[in-house]
Amino acid sequence: ETGVTQSPTHLIKTRGQQVTLRCSSQSGHNTVSWYQQALGQGPQFIFQYYREEENGRGNFPPRFSGLQFPNYSSELNVNALELDDSALYLCASSLELGRSYEQYFGPGTRLTVT
Amino acid sequence: AQSVTQLDSQVPVFEEAPVELRCNYSSSVSVYLFWYVQYPNQGLQLLLKYLSGSTLVKGINGFEAEFNKSQTSFHLRKPSVHISDTAEYFCAVTLIQGAQKLVFGQGTRLTINP
Repeated sequence: ETGVTQSPTHLIKTRGQQVTLRCSSQSGHNTVSWYQQALGQGPQFIFQYYREEENGRGNFPPRFSGLQFPNYSSELNVNALELDDSALYLCASSLELGRSYEQYFGPGTRLTVT
Repeated sequence: AQSVTQLDSQVPVFEEAPVELRCNYSSSVSVYLFWYVQYPNQGLQLLLKYLSGSTLVKGINGFEAEFNKSQTSFHLRKPSVHISDTAEYFCAVTLIQGAQKLVFGQGTRLTINP
């Protein structure tokens, strides 16, 4: 069984640029959540997708957007990057919204904004 | 809104000694509780969860946690730690209804000394 995978592993961008991070959910999982983990902090919820629809959003500005595809993989897009966007971005998948509360995390993408 | 407080940012212990990592939460509605572990440069791995039933839950790697509703606590314990337990530990809650977003504490860095 393949776990959650994320790409790329590391990324360096310049302030003002745009970035796309990708996530492949665990086999059979149709719910994907994205989290931002700043250095020395706990992860913060960005948003969740269930069957290609956004199903909840944390306290992040609209320049953070996402997509979920028919195969349940997902993208996180961040526009107009700011220095404070530097963080580890974690994707997590779960089996079925409302039935399973276990979220399985990928290894993360470390984004550095200079 | 929900919040999670991990009372110790760092916990140093000697190998084979017992350890307790403390977690308190705040919520006006019922939640489920989790402990995750993060090894250096990796994503999060689920250690254990409390959904219902017995308030003492056992997880992987010899860890256990006790849910105390009256004290809104969910402390993590291990009777004898190993060097390999060195990691960051996160306590988290999620609502039973709605988007299954995890709300994390700030984390506790567990350091095992030989």
